[in-house]
Amino acid sequence: GAGVSQSPRYKVAKRGQDVALRCDPISGHVSLFWYQQALGQGPEFLTYFQNEAQLDKSGLPSDRFFAERPEGSVSTLKIQRTQQEDSAVYLCASSLGPTNTEAFFGQGTRLTVV
Amino acid sequence: AQRVTQPEKLLSVFKGAPVELKCNYSYSGSPELFWYVQYSRQRLQLLLRHISRESIKGFTADLNKGETSFHLKKPFAQEEDSAMYYCALRRGTGGGNKLTFGTGTQLKVEL
Repeated sequence: GAGVSQSPRYKVAKRGQDVALRCDPISGHVSLFWYQQALGQGPEFLTYFQNEAQLDKSGLPSDRFFAERPEGSVSTLKIQRTQQEDSAVYLCASSLGPTNTEAFFGQGTRLTVV
Repeated sequence: AQRVTQPEKLLSVFKGAPVELKCNYSYSGSPELFWYVQYSRQRLQLLLRHISRESIKGFTADLNKGETSFHLKKPFAQEEDSAMYYCALRRGTGGGNKLTFGTGTQLKVEL
């Protein structure tokens, strides 16, 4: 594909709703990352996959956040019982190798919780 | 834990003037430093990384381990340089792959 693709681009959720955000990485990329970017802030790391293995989930802010990449390609970030503080842009990035390779970012999903 | 600081939220310069976007970091090991740029309505993209020691679009950045800085410089600003710039750190080899970002600096180049 042309790059990392994320959907939806925009999502409005009522407080308490569950949401699922999708990321299609560049084909063949082993590593996949999720970041959360609040308004006026830089991206903050949420979680990292190497193929289908979730190797680092230290950045997930609560147990309401869950990510998966079952076949080592597409990934889904799920947020249960959304809260207003979850409003942010969620960025997905992929890179070719497991270490020291360039990360390519998607355009992000802007989540607004009302 | 590592941290990246970008002290300026907004930097406004005139076209043709020199630009310096400041970045300081804290990390006890040997980091990799990056500058990412986000143009209006576009995705975040890599501008340059310290290990490649190259100039991209006229921008350069030198890692100063003594001052723990990685400032981004360009001698003559162009209108198309207007964008959001993020400094980022990655722990060195064997230390994991995630990036730690600063809060970003909005560069505005005025005519």
